[in-house]
Amino acid sequence: AQKITQTQPGMFVQEKEAVTLDCTYDTSDPSYGLFWYKQPSSGEMIFLIYQGSYDQQNATEGRYSLNFQKARKSANLVISASQLGDSAMYFCAMRDGWGNTPLVFGKGTRLSVIA
Amino acid sequence: EAGVAQSPRYKIIEKRQSVAFWCNPISGHATLYWYQQILGQGPKLLIQFQNNGVVDDSQLPKDRFSAERLKGVDSTLKIQPAKLEDSAVYLCASSLSQGLENEQFFGPGTRLTVL
Repeated sequence: AQKITQTQPGMFVQEKEAVTLDCTYDTSDPSYGLFWYKQPSSGEMIFLIYQGSYDQQNATEGRYSLNFQKARKSANLVISASQLGDSAMYFCAMRDGWGNTPLVFGKGTRLSVIA
Repeated sequence: EAGVAQSPRYKIIEKRQSVAFWCNPISGHATLYWYQQILGQGPKLLIQFQNNGVVDDSQLPKDRFSAERLKGVDSTLKIQPAKLEDSAVYLCASSLSQGLENEQFFGPGTRLTVL
């Protein structure tokens, strides 16, 4: 069975600094995808970045990058140049197999950006 | 492009009452998901539809929860009778097609409080 572990309940970062949010995963399927979502206090889930298990390079999307270490089964999110608007809950999620399988989410990390 | 719509946004009921939530996915999205997000946790899948057929309802408490997606577009999720532990945010998501990398688009959620 799939499992996502986020061990940091909360993180603080100074504005304009970089921050890393940890995520480890477990699956027996060689084909899987890893996602990061942002959930502001308003409640909507906002997709940030995707990494496929067969992707050779780490995914990047603007200020977001994913540090994918397949052997260690980790998929950490790096946010560069933090902004006050980055304060939110961040969820790591995965799906495996093929097709439109549902996402399995971690418990999330609450990020607070300090001015 | 319009996003995933959900209503109501908030609902307060007493235990043993019934409640229904509505979701309208993004036009053309064949796959629809209902997730339950309890406070402090990540979303957990309740049920997944492909068009108007159920793909996965293994985690749906079928003694009290029911869901349908008539005509393969809108969906309703019902709880009858509600329990205190059903207090949560109910998120609807949709996705376009097959493939691990396909993003799930989430609605704003319905926050249910059971008193």
